[in-house]
This record gives sequence, C-alpha cells and structure tokens, in this order.
Amino acid sequence: GAVVSQHPSRVICKSGTSVKIECRSLDFQATTMFWYRQFPKQSLMLMATSNEGSKATYEQGVEKDKFLINHASLTLSTLTVTSAHPEDSSFYICSARDPQGGRSYGYTFGSGTRLTVV
Amino acid sequence: TQLLEQSPQFLSIQEGENLTVYCNSSSVFSSLQWYRQEPGEGPVLLVTVVTGGEVKKLKRLTFQFGDARKDSSLHITAAQPGDTGLYLCAGEGLRDYKLSFGAGTTVTVRA
Repeated sequence: GAVVSQHPSRVICKSGTSVKIECRSLDFQATTMFWYRQFPKQSLMLMATSNEGSKATYEQGVEKDKFLINHASLTLSTLTVTSAHPEDSSFYICSARDPQGGRSYGYTFGSGTRLTVV
Repeated sequence: TQLLEQSPQFLSIQEGENLTVYCNSSSVFSSLQWYRQEPGEGPVLLVTVVTGGEVKKLKRLTFQFGDARKDSSLHITAAQPGDTGLYLCAGEGLRDYKLSFGAGTTVTVRA
C-alpha cells in the first residue's frame, strides 16, 4: 500500500531558529500533499496544500511566511517553521494520496513530527 | 467551528459491548473517511465511503454513509481492548481534495 514517510519524528529547537520537516511519498508520486497541525487532545487542522511545481495554498489564518512549504519533486514536500516560538510547538502531520486509487482511496498520513520550541 | 460534528467525544465501554460513533454535517461530501490514530502517530485509514447509502464492513466494524452524503456512522460490535484509540471522521470536499476532520472520539474498551 501507499507509504508516506515523515522526518524527523521529534525535534526540539530554540526560539528564533528554523526547523525543516520532510514528507516523502515512498511508492507513488504525489502532485499534492497536505500539511496539518494537531494540538493535544484536538483534531487535525489543515494548514496548507502543497502543490508540486507551484506555490502552496494556505488556509485562512496560517502565515505563509512563517510556514514555508516547498514541493520541489513529485515525492517530496517540506515544511519549514521559520523563527519558531514556543506557541509553534505542536504535532505536524503530512498526507498524500496515491492518484491511481482515485477517490475510493483515502489518504495516507505520515507518522507526524512533534515539534517543541524552548 | 467544525464542519463535521463528531459524537460522542469520549466513549468508555466494557469488552464485548457495542458502540457507535456519529459524524454529522450540513455539507455534502464526495467521500467520508474514517481514521484511527494512536498517540504520537499519524492517522491510519480504516475505510472510505463514497456512495450515498453505502455500507461497508471490516470484520467487527460497520461503516455507513448517509443517503445525502452528509453524515456517517461507525459501529463496532463486541468491542475489544485492542479497539481502544482515537477515531476520526473526515469529509472530502466536492470541489477540492481537502479533508475536514471531526473533533474525534476517544474510545476506551476496558477488559
């Protein structure tokens, strides 16, 4: 089945630094990937849609200059949290869908990245 | 405001009992997906329902999609401790591929 690999699984960084999170589709090509944020005891909130070869589209309220998304290839999307602050601490998850499956297939999610900003 | 209202938020039952989780919306979806998420992990797809009125069964789990494609339910028969986890419903938009998630239901099955 479709596999999405997300790295790193955990990262601790200092305030003011930037952190890059990678999301790879291992056995399929994904022109579109999605980035979510999840706070403790809460559901997933869509942050942005990553589009291969073009700009990402961000959901309302998500700062595009703070959460930089690059989708340079059909198997890799990256999310960079710039100038991180403690309030950016969260669980970040990416997802993609194998296009060969069509809408009857659900999405495959990465294992998530726990970001802690100290 | 959640596009999808999921209930109940918490469910604690004894092993062997049945349970149902509901997911309701005023919006129509092209598909409704159910996921299960373990702590510290990403959600794992359980099922996708696409056709209004569709019923899918996976062993002890039964999923229904409403006729109008606005609501769905997940029913677990004879729950086991291994069914413990966070269950999430997600609706896929008609015109885009975005998923809107319900708030989630934390299920605890006591041995």
